[in-house]
Amino acid sequence: AQSVTQPDIHITVSEGASLELRCNYSYGATPYLFWYVQSPGQGLQLLLKYFSGDTLVQGIKGFEAEFKRSQSSFNLRKPSVHWSDAAEYFCAAEKTSYDKVIFGPGTSLSVIP
Amino acid sequence: DTGVSQDPRHKITKRGQNVTFRCDPISEHNRLYWYRQTLGQGPEFLTYFQNEAQLEKSRLLSDRFSAERPKGSFSTLEIQRTEQGDSAMYLCASSSLSEGGDTQYFGPGTRLTVL
Repeated sequence: AQSVTQPDIHITVSEGASLELRCNYSYGATPYLFWYVQSPGQGLQLLLKYFSGDTLVQGIKGFEAEFKRSQSSFNLRKPSVHWSDAAEYFCAAEKTSYDKVIFGPGTSLSVIP
Repeated sequence: DTGVSQDPRHKITKRGQNVTFRCDPISEHNRLYWYRQTLGQGPEFLTYFQNEAQLEKSRLLSDRFSAERPKGSFSTLEIQRTEQGDSAMYLCASSSLSEGGDTQYFGPGTRLTVL
């Protein structure tokens, strides 16, 4: 069955520290991959997406993600975290264009001053 | 482009009542999706439309749930005889093919509380 896993339920980092959020997927072929962020009480905002090509993808708010086919992973990174980055982060995958998106369970990020 | 909008943002109802939510997608997006998100979980797919045609429904969508998109623009999601287990955030998204892949843009959601 197709699935997306995020091993870390909750992560706490200090402001200014680097961040890496893990994501693994299980699909028959490489899906389209996404990272979304959700602030409390808000909808989902797209951070970045990978469809094909360069395996290092740049997104908004200083985030980037690296696709690794051998590890079935699509980890999200940011070199220096800001307090405003505290939110819930969802990795997601889509088998083909115009298909339903399957979301991981999310990783809650806390940022301490 | 004003983004995806949903109405109402919050709905509190008593068990057994019917509720209806509305989603207005980004104009000219022909795909529209409904998802449900419970506390501490990622969104789960419910159903989607291409124009006015409903193309897929999740097994999560029981007979008490019905969705429509009558003119291929806005969509409604109705829940009949609500149960406490229906309490969740209901998210709508719309999409348009771009650069070989699909990107779904989400609305702010409707939070349903069933008492």
